[in-house]
Amino acid sequence: DSGVTQTPKHLITATGQRVTLRCSPRSGDLSVYWYQQSLDQGLQFLIQYYNGEERAKGNILERFSAQQFPDLHSELNLSSLELGDSALYFCASSGSNSPLHFGNGTRLTVT
Amino acid sequence: GQNIDQPTEMTATEGAIVQINCTYQTSGFNGLFWYQQHAGEAPTFLSYNVLDGLEEKGRFSSFLSRSKGYSYLLLKELQMKDSASYLCARRAAGNKLTFGGGTRVLVKP
Repeated sequence: DSGVTQTPKHLITATGQRVTLRCSPRSGDLSVYWYQQSLDQGLQFLIQYYNGEERAKGNILERFSAQQFPDLHSELNLSSLELGDSALYFCASSGSNSPLHFGNGTRLTVT
Repeated sequence: GQNIDQPTEMTATEGAIVQINCTYQTSGFNGLFWYQQHAGEAPTFLSYNVLDGLEEKGRFSSFLSRSKGYSYLLLKELQMKDSASYLCARRAAGNKLTFGGGTRVLVKP
C-alpha cells in the first residue's frame, strides 16, 4: 500500500459529461501529480501541485482542470468527455526530492 | 525536449538476466528513476540514481552515466512474477518526472 488513495476506482460515463477524480496524498507529502495512461501507453504527465499551488503543467487539455486544497487532497476535473479520454488516471504524491508514490488509479470509461 | 527512449518489449527465460536500457536528454537532468508496473496496477518504485555508477538492491540493479544520458535496469535470477512493464523516468527541477513508454518484459518458463 503506497499510502496514496484515489477514488473512485472505476467510473463509467457518457460523452459530453463531466467527472471529478479525487486523490489523498501520503501523510506529509506536499506534492501531488496527475498522470494519464491510455491502453498500452506510457504515463503522460498532466499537472503537478505543491502545497496548494500549481507547480508544473504537462499535456493537459483545456477541458481538464485540477486543484489542490488546503488539506492537500487534490481533485482532477474532466469535462465535455470524449471517447478518447477513456484511460487510467493516476495520482502520485511525494516529499521533497523523494520518489513518487502512486495511487491505484481511477479507470475511466467513456461510452 | 525530454525524449526518453527504452525498448518496447523484451523476452527472457526464468532464472536468466535481462538488461533494460534507457536513454534520455541530459539538459536539466536531476535524477533517474525506475518503476515496475503490472498490467492495470499502479507503478511501484524500484530504484533511483542521481550519481554515476551502479546501485544494487537485491535482484535488481540500476546504472547511470550522466555524461552519456544513459541508464539501465538489470534484473537477475528472473522469476515469473517479474513479468511486467518497467518504466524509466527522468526527473527535472521541481521533482517533475517524465516517463518513457515502458519496456514490457515477458518471462518464460
